[in-house]
Amino acid sequence: AQSVTQPDIHITVSEGASLELRCNYSYGATPYLFWYVQSPGQGLQLLLKYFSGDTLVQGIKGFEAEFKRSQSSFNLRKPSVHWSDAAEYFCAVGLIATSGTYKYIFGTGTRLKVLA
Amino acid sequence: GAGVSQSPSNKVTEKGKDVELRCDPISGHTALYWYRQSLGQGLEFLIYFQGNSAPDKSGLPSDRFSAERTGGSVSTLTIQRTQQEDSAVYLCASSLGTSGREQYFGPGTRLTVT
Repeated sequence: AQSVTQPDIHITVSEGASLELRCNYSYGATPYLFWYVQSPGQGLQLLLKYFSGDTLVQGIKGFEAEFKRSQSSFNLRKPSVHWSDAAEYFCAVGLIATSGTYKYIFGTGTRLKVLA
Repeated sequence: GAGVSQSPSNKVTEKGKDVELRCDPISGHTALYWYRQSLGQGLEFLIYFQGNSAPDKSGLPSDRFSAERTGGSVSTLTIQRTQQEDSAVYLCASSLGTSGREQYFGPGTRLTVT
């Protein structure tokens, strides 16, 4: 079955520390890959996306993500976290479902807490 | 240009009542999606509209849920005979089309069924 797994429900880091949020997907081919961020009471904002080409993609707010085909992973990273990065992060894949329609499947999210 | 807008931002209703949630997508976006986000959960796909094609309703949890999209623009999600388990944030997103286009999300409607 097609799925997206974010194994870490909560992550706490100190401000200035590095960050890595994990994302694994299950799909027979390479899907389109996305990371979104959701601040409290807000909708989701796109951080970055991967369609093809260079497996290391840069996004907004200093985030980057690396696609690893062999591991079916698309982990999000930031070298130095800021207090304003505290939010919930969602990994998503875009793929052709068995019904033939294009769908997005979201992970359950990782809630990031940043300590001052 | 305006982003995706949703109304109301908050809705409190009594169990058994019907509710309508509205979504105004970004102008020119042909694809429109509805999701449900329950506390501590990811996004649950509900329904998808693409242009003039028949909508993909495969995510609707029961026949109490329905949605329409008029004129290829505004969409309304209707929940009939609301139940407490319907309490959630309902998110709408639009995109330029399919095949990898990113989605743009509205701020959501928080529905509370008492």
